[in-house]
Amino acid sequence: AQSVTQPDIHITVSEGASLELRCNYSYGATPYLFWYVQSPGQGLQLLLKYFSGDTLVQGIKGFEAEFKRSQSSFNLRKPSVHWSDAAEYFCAVGHNNNDMRFGAGTRLTVKP
Amino acid sequence: EAGVAQSPRYKIIEKRQSVAFWCNPISGHATLYWYQQILGQGPKLLIQFQNNGVVDDSQLPKDRFSAERLKGVDSTLKIQPAKLEDSAVYLCASSSVIGGEQFFGPGTRLTVL
Repeated sequence: AQSVTQPDIHITVSEGASLELRCNYSYGATPYLFWYVQSPGQGLQLLLKYFSGDTLVQGIKGFEAEFKRSQSSFNLRKPSVHWSDAAEYFCAVGHNNNDMRFGAGTRLTVKP
Repeated sequence: EAGVAQSPRYKIIEKRQSVAFWCNPISGHATLYWYQQILGQGPKLLIQFQNNGVVDDSQLPKDRFSAERLKGVDSTLKIQPAKLEDSAVYLCASSSVIGGEQFFGPGTRLTVL
């Protein structure tokens, strides 16, 4: 069965510092992988997705993620965090956009 | 383009009462999803519609939850009777086609006392 693990419940980084949010997945076939962001009181917004091809995926708001099949990982990165990036981040795995399974989320706090 | 609309935004009820949530997807989107997001967890798919037909309701607790999308546009999710463990945010999402990108509404936060 497919599943997603986000090992870090809460991460705090200073504004301007780099960020990496971890995501590990379990899936029986070639996975479709996603990162979503959820700000307080808002719905989820898609940051980026990986279906095939180049394993380094660029998304919105300066985020990128790298698919590493050997490690079953799809970590999200940003070189310089802004205060507005404070939010909850969810990794998801699925068959294209169907049957998506979400991780428990990582809450990002940005220190001034 | 208007996004996915949900109402109400907040609802507080007592256990054993009934509650209904409404979702209006993005215009023209044929696929509609309802998710349950319990505090501290990621969203869990409850039911998926394609137009007015159910594609997947394998994770819907059918003894108390029901959903409909009679005209293939807006949808209603109902809980009857509610339990304490139903306290969660209920998210609606839509996509233009099955397998297309999902766009999420702001959610309805349900508190069951």
